[in-house]
Amino acid sequence: EAQVTQNPRYLITVTGKKLTVTCSQNMNHEYMSWYRQDPGLGLRQIYYSMNVEVTDKGDVPEGYKVSRKEKRNFPLILESPSPNQTSLYFCASSPGLATSSYNEQFFGPGTRLTVL
Amino acid sequence: GDSVTQMEGPVTLSEEAFLTINCTYTATGYPSLFWYVQYPGEGLQLLLKATKADDKGSNKGFEATYRKETTSFHLEKGSVQVSDSAVYFCALQGTSGSRLTFGEGTQLTVNP
Repeated sequence: EAQVTQNPRYLITVTGKKLTVTCSQNMNHEYMSWYRQDPGLGLRQIYYSMNVEVTDKGDVPEGYKVSRKEKRNFPLILESPSPNQTSLYFCASSPGLATSSYNEQFFGPGTRLTVL
Repeated sequence: GDSVTQMEGPVTLSEEAFLTINCTYTATGYPSLFWYVQYPGEGLQLLLKATKADDKGSNKGFEATYRKETTSFHLEKGSVQVSDSAVYFCALQGTSGSRLTFGEGTQLTVNP
């Protein structure tokens, strides 16, 4: 089944404790992205990657890091989480600009993060 | 920069009522426009899309028409069901790449 998976789905942590949220897609997509969803703000893009070893900042990158060493994986790293990073996080992927369906993004199920 | 504005929610309707959720956008050039739906506890799913002016996207009884003259992409359904209860997001994708810009989301509740 074609899908985007995220782990963990739920996480409660404390301020300053480094964490990683994993994202993996099995559709051979070039493009991957991370969003956070907050009430009244919709989804805001954190980082995105057009292909392996190519990443770029979105609208709200502060406090986050990403890497894209393999095509299928795009982990989100919070080096020193703070309470204002409490949110619902979504990973997404799409085929890439070179294909006719490049603008169809597929979303993972979400990771609800609470930072105390 | 690009932006999307959705009508304020939440919206509560009775089953079989007519639905309209307004969406307007600001963007340069000719963006692609989307409606995504988020059911409780799930990720976002693409509901419909339109890639050029006057295109009509449709799926599962929902429709939206890309109106460049009014920079709008309003979502409509003639007869809603309880199972349509979800959060609906309008989004646009600029001409420069795959990045999506989302509206705030509109919570729809349909009562039997």
